[in-house]
Amino acid sequence: GQQVMQIPQYQHVQEGEDFTTYCNSSTTLSNIQWYKQRPGGHPVFLIQLVKSGEVKKQKRLTFQFGEAKKNSSLHITATQTTDVGTYFCAGIDYGGSQGNLIFGKGTKLSVKP
Amino acid sequence: IAGITQAPTSQILAAGRRMTLRCTQDMRHNAMYWYRQDLGLGLRLIHYSNTAGTTGKGEVPDGYSVSRANTDDFPLTLASAVPSQTSVYFCASSDFSGGYTFGSGTRLTVV
Repeated sequence: GQQVMQIPQYQHVQEGEDFTTYCNSSTTLSNIQWYKQRPGGHPVFLIQLVKSGEVKKQKRLTFQFGEAKKNSSLHITATQTTDVGTYFCAGIDYGGSQGNLIFGKGTKLSVKP
Repeated sequence: IAGITQAPTSQILAAGRRMTLRCTQDMRHNAMYWYRQDLGLGLRLIHYSNTAGTTGKGEVPDGYSVSRANTDDFPLTLASAVPSQTSVYFCASSDFSGGYTFGSGTRLTVV
């Protein structure tokens, strides 16, 4: 079945450094979504990418969807302590009949002030 | 209510007992989902419902059942709890056009 893999599993950065997490799927995705989960909280939807090669920005966050629609990345510029949390990518199999999101295991970001 | 409400927030349950986790949404979303989250394993889909009256099995359905009698409610039942069902359970909903909205979760410990 479809698998969505994320790397790295953990990332520790100094405040002000950049951070990138990568997401790879074993199958072509119809779209990819990104979520953030603060410690002790629940996943919160950040963005959805649909088009091949799409790039979207939200303030210091840049999201990319690969040309083949099998990979994606989230880049945070100049991290802040408020960025702490686990970032999940989630994709829907292009040919899947259920159309349910399959989540990666997430990248846990810690930021040292 | 704004979004998704889950109850209870946390529960300690004796093994073998029956338990229903409640989930209610007020967004009129057609689709609803139950995920469990375990350390190192991420979010795994238990059951889903694309519309009221229909349900389907996710990645880890064994030991769980769901019903969808109406649009707003999607309860998850553990018929006979086992320690491996200790987890954080999240209910979510979507309208198929965008991201999922998650509830605040239920932390369940089976002893």
